[in-house]
Amino acid sequence: AQSVTQPDIHITVSEGASLELRCNYSYGATPYLFWYVQSPGQGLQLLLKYFSGDTLVQGIKGFEAEFKRSQSSFNLRKPSVHWSDAAEYFCAVVRQKGAQKLVFGQGTRLTINP
Amino acid sequence: ETGVTQTPRHLVMGMTNKKSLKCEQHLGHNAMYWYKQSAKKPLELMFVYSLEERVENNSVPSRFSPECPNSSHLFLHLHTLQPEDSALYLCASSQGLGGLSYNEQFFGPGTRLTVL
Repeated sequence: AQSVTQPDIHITVSEGASLELRCNYSYGATPYLFWYVQSPGQGLQLLLKYFSGDTLVQGIKGFEAEFKRSQSSFNLRKPSVHWSDAAEYFCAVVRQKGAQKLVFGQGTRLTINP
Repeated sequence: ETGVTQTPRHLVMGMTNKKSLKCEQHLGHNAMYWYKQSAKKPLELMFVYSLEERVENNSVPSRFSPECPNSSHLFLHLHTLQPEDSALYLCASSQGLGGLSYNEQFFGPGTRLTVL
């Protein structure tokens, strides 16, 4: 089935450490790709998106993501995490141009150790 | 108020109750969405409205009844729900439905629904 996979349900890193959250999709063509963050009690906030062009995209809050077509991946990275980054992170895709239906992964919960 | 607001933030209801969730967007958008976020499951799109007309219904049971009286407001009417309907219900809005590109969806904080 076509889907979005986030292999890590829960990740714990120390404050100041680097972070990489994984996302893989299984669609034939390259979809539009997104990362959202959800802090406790909050809605989803868009961190960054990839439509085309440069495969390394910069987002808000110091996050970046790299699209790798050969691996059908769109992993999220941050060089140094802060305690405020503790949240749930969702990878999502829109399958085709002109569509609006977001298909989400299961999410990765990030815990930050002081 | 700014962005997308949802009321109530928390709701507990019995299986025989009727209640409604409200969403309001202050962004001048003309498309609105309902999503369901259950524990251990990905976010699921439930309904999409564009210019107050329903354009997508993702096989949602009839005990969930959406209503979009104008482009700023979206309701989800609930009746005879089941405990498995307990979830976080998120509303979103966007400026149109994409056309040749994608229009970013802006999300509200959600309503945490518990069905007893």
